[in-house]
Amino acid sequence: NAGVTQTPKFQVLKTGQSMTLQCAQDMNHNSMYWYRQDPGMGLRLIYYSASEGTTDKGEVPNGYNVSRLNKREFSLRLESAAPSQTSVYFCASATEETVSYEQYFGPGTRLTVT
Amino acid sequence: QKEVEQDPGPLSVPEGAIVSLNCTYSNSAFQYFMWYRQYSRKGPELLMYTYSSGNKEDGRFTAQVDKSSKYISLFIRDSQPSDSATYLCAMSRVTNSGYALNFGKGTSLLVTP
Repeated sequence: NAGVTQTPKFQVLKTGQSMTLQCAQDMNHNSMYWYRQDPGMGLRLIYYSASEGTTDKGEVPNGYNVSRLNKREFSLRLESAAPSQTSVYFCASATEETVSYEQYFGPGTRLTVT
Repeated sequence: QKEVEQDPGPLSVPEGAIVSLNCTYSNSAFQYFMWYRQYSRKGPELLMYTYSSGNKEDGRFTAQVDKSSKYISLFIRDSQPSDSATYLCAMSRVTNSGYALNFGKGTSLLVTP
């Protein structure tokens, strides 16, 4: 099992460009999440999807859109990148079958917007 | 006041020391309490989780929860340089649309040989 995979690992964008971060999990989890991690700010939830076909905003959704393509895949799109979106982005997945509902994380995408 | 508070450190200890990492929380709705370890330039990985007040041991790691004080701890015995990482506490609660995790900001730990 690969767990949670993310592509790309690194990306540099110019202000105003768009891109999509891809995430896939092979653990048959229902829930998937997108976080950003910035120094001194910890992990902040951008969007999440409790099940295929549903998405909800998290703490910092502005400037992002998401698509839950199927049960395995959850993508994050930046329509017009801004320097404030320079961050490390993590995708995670979870299942309610584990009573603690712990989340499993991917390796991250390091994004720089110039 | 944030729902989960965690001292960011950094914390530097010599190899072999006992390490104590802590978080406080304010929301009584939290049900499960977890510790994640994050190595530099990697994603967080789950170390262990607990549910009730008390201790849970896993090798050199002990997680402790005191629900009456809203305080959780992670102890690392015989710390090793390979334990150098950022440790994040996390707590789960039920929401209208499922479950959610609240994370602390993480404590940076350095174990020196």
